[in-house]
Order: sequence, then structure tokens, then C-alpha cells
Amino acid sequence: DTVLTQSPALAVSLGQRVTISCKASESVSSSSYSYMHWYQQKPGQQPKLLIYHASNLESGVPARFSGSGSGTDFTLNIDPVEADDIATYFCQQSWNDPFTFGSGTKLEIK
Amino acid sequence: EVQLQQSGAELGKPGTSVKLSCKVSGYNIRSTYMHWVNQRPGKGLEWIGRIDPANGNTIYAEKFKSKATLTADTSSNTAYMQLSQLKSDDTAIYFCAIAASGPFDYWGQGVMVTVSS
Repeated sequence: DTVLTQSPALAVSLGQRVTISCKASESVSSSSYSYMHWYQQKPGQQPKLLIYHASNLESGVPARFSGSGSGTDFTLNIDPVEADDIATYFCQQSWNDPFTFGSGTKLEIK
Repeated sequence: EVQLQQSGAELGKPGTSVKLSCKVSGYNIRSTYMHWVNQRPGKGLEWIGRIDPANGNTIYAEKFKSKATLTADTSSNTAYMQLSQLKSDDTAIYFCAIAASGPFDYWGQGVMVTVSS
């Protein structure tokens, strides 16, 4: 299985930039696309798609969210961080079966 | 508007089965894959498997092959997941989700399954 590794938690000040990383145990990119996606989950809610195929912003998601990366290394950036962004962020790959998720990065206020 | 409405919370005894439903509106499930994901209390997300409702083909994560059975009824635009031989470790929130081409575009609200005697 493709293992996705994320840092458990990050502390950030409001208004600052934060980078959340996700490292895959094998490549999740083809020559055309990267099959890495990012979700935000708040307590008691279902996950919400933020970024698909590594760098594409889902409709309705604020432009302060962005994603980048290819192969095995991916990042989600939030700039600037707002109070509403306090949540847990998961990466997920859909290149290999079984689909897998990272363990999540909990964003906390410094 | 696409909506995935999941059935209500379940309380199951060890060794029994439960069947969860996920009714989709605003999207024809024949044109997508229906996925199921779980989240144990305080933990991360775990992919269980997917079904192609158009032909009934299924793929499961290895650890769920003897635990979960995915089905779909295209006439009612509803996906189902049966969990068998329940154990305390199956206590979790279970989500259904639509993923036509990779990312999970739409999610159900989740249903809590509690296994307890």
C-alpha cells in the first residue's frame, strides 16, 4: 500500500503562511497528473475537498489555499491563515489501489 | 445540488451485522464510483472500498475484504455497505463518498456505528 506521511500537528499564528507536507512512499504521479488530493476536516463534520490533482483549487474554496508537488512530495499552503482554517488536513492518493490517506495534520493556533 | 444522505446511527452487538445506506440526490450514481471510508474515534481516515454501481464491480482494501460488502441500487440511486461479524474495533464513523475520477468530490454526513454488548 502507498503510505502517506504527514506531520501530526502544526502551530501557526493567524495571518501567517503555513505549509503542510505529505510524503508518499512511492510516486503517485503519471506523466500527466498527480493523483494527490487535500481535504479539510473540522470536528463533527465530513471532510471537505480543497485541492485535487495536487494543485487544482476546488470550486468555492478560498484562493488562500494552494497545493503543489509531484512524484512523492506534496504540500498544501494556506496564506494567510484565518481562524476558520483551524482544522485537520488530510492528503489522499488515488493513483494506487488501495486508495490511502495521510494520518492528518492538525492545525493549531500559536 | 449534490447530496449524500446516510442512514442513522447504529448500535450493534458483537458478532452481528449492520447495513448502512447512502442515498444520493443530484447525481446519477451510474456515472461514478461510490466509496466508503471510516474514521475510528479520534483517528484518521481509512478507505474501505468502492463500487461501480453501473456493473456492481467492487474493490476492497485488504483488511476489509471479509468485513464489508458493498452494493448499489441504481433504481433508487442508493449505495449500501454491510459490515459483518462486528467487533469493538469496528466502532467508527462511516462515510460514503462520490469519486468520479480520483478525489472524493462529495461526502455523506457520516454515520456512527457503535459495537457494544
